[in-house]
Formats: sequence, structure tokens, C-alpha cells
Amino acid sequence: DTAVSQTPKYLVTQMGNDKSIKCEQNLGHDTMYWYKQDSKKFLKIMFSYNNKELIINETVPNRFSPKSPDKAHLNLHINSLELGDSAVYFCASSPVPPSEQYFGPGTRLTVT
Amino acid sequence: SQQGEEDPQALSIQEGENATMNCSYKTSINNLQWYRQNSGRGLVHLILIRSNEREKHSGRLRVTLDTSKKSSSLLITASRAADTASYFCATEPSGGSNYKLTFGKGTLLTVNP
Repeated sequence: DTAVSQTPKYLVTQMGNDKSIKCEQNLGHDTMYWYKQDSKKFLKIMFSYNNKELIINETVPNRFSPKSPDKAHLNLHINSLELGDSAVYFCASSPVPPSEQYFGPGTRLTVT
Repeated sequence: SQQGEEDPQALSIQEGENATMNCSYKTSINNLQWYRQNSGRGLVHLILIRSNEREKHSGRLRVTLDTSKKSSSLLITASRAADTASYFCATEPSGGSNYKLTFGKGTLLTVNP
């Protein structure tokens, strides 16, 4: 069984569009995260949620809005997509920190 | 801001050799973690070492931590072709939120058969 899953795996869209990426974890973890990995493989945290509450918003533009309907899900909605949003987005989960994190397979977003 | 910095950026070795990767960081930490990322895949956790620990082992992996030098090393012994991947260190800063891991840029390890 997949521990942390993301959909879709690939997303190609045009500038100005709105898109969502879904994330689900079946590990029973309280904490979930979104990361962005750029073309140089630099991985940067965007958001972290604990028990459906936002804990960290790492100076991410307002166009990005995470939503956690329950502890097992953390979705990422992006408005008015820009070229610079092209990257691989990873969802992760963990038990209450400090702890190792479990990553999803990533969603490769390409904005044209 | 970037916390961890891996060295070297790329490493190519023969199967059976040992691989050593280093990580330096800037601020005080609660713990340091190492992750592996195979091409096109998500990250996989390898080892977590706490700030009061100096060395940790897991199978063929050995991690050291020197908080006075703000550095860590990851040693993979008897490497295999399947160890080919990017390796990242990640730090959890002390005195701040422990919901935040800061990753370095990674070391690309290639193990040639």
C-alpha cells in the first residue's frame, strides 16, 4: 500500500490557470507538509500542517493555498499559475516532530 | 534561507568502494537527517541523528555529527549500483519550529557496476 500518495503525477498547464494537487497519507500521521523542488534539485518547505492546522507558511505567495479537510489529506491549490511555478511538488507526512518525514512520489508541474 | 550544504556536489565511484558525503550547516540544530532520492522519485529517510549524538549506524550507513564544526558526514560502505541516487542532509534548527526541515542541495552519487 502506498504510504503517501499524490495526484496527479504530471501536470502541464498554461500561465494564468488554476490547478490543484492532492495528497493523501495512510500512515496515521498528524503532520503533513508541502515542498517545492526546483530544477537544480533544491528542496524548500512551503507549508506544514499539524492536525489540520497551519503551522508554517514559508513566505509562499498568496496564490498558493493549502487545504487540509482532515488529518490524512493536504491539498495544494495554485491560482494564476506563473512560469516560475514550474517545479516538482512533494507532499510529506510525519509523526509529531522531531521525526523522519515520509515523502510522496512528487507532482511535476510544468507551466507553459 | 539554505541551511545545509553538501559536499561534493557529485561523486562517482566503483561498486564495492565506500562513499563519503559531507554536510555543513550554519545555525544550531535539534537534529540532522539524511535522505536519499532516486531519479524521478520522492525522498526516502535514511538516518536521524540528534544534536547530542556523535555517531549513528544503520546497515551499511554510518553518520557522524560534529556540532562544534557544524558538520555531518554520511558514509556508505561497500557501495552497490542500487545506491546511485542523490543524497540530502536536512536540519531542524533549535530554538525554532520543529515542524521545519531545511534541506541542502544534495550530493549526486553514481556507483558504477
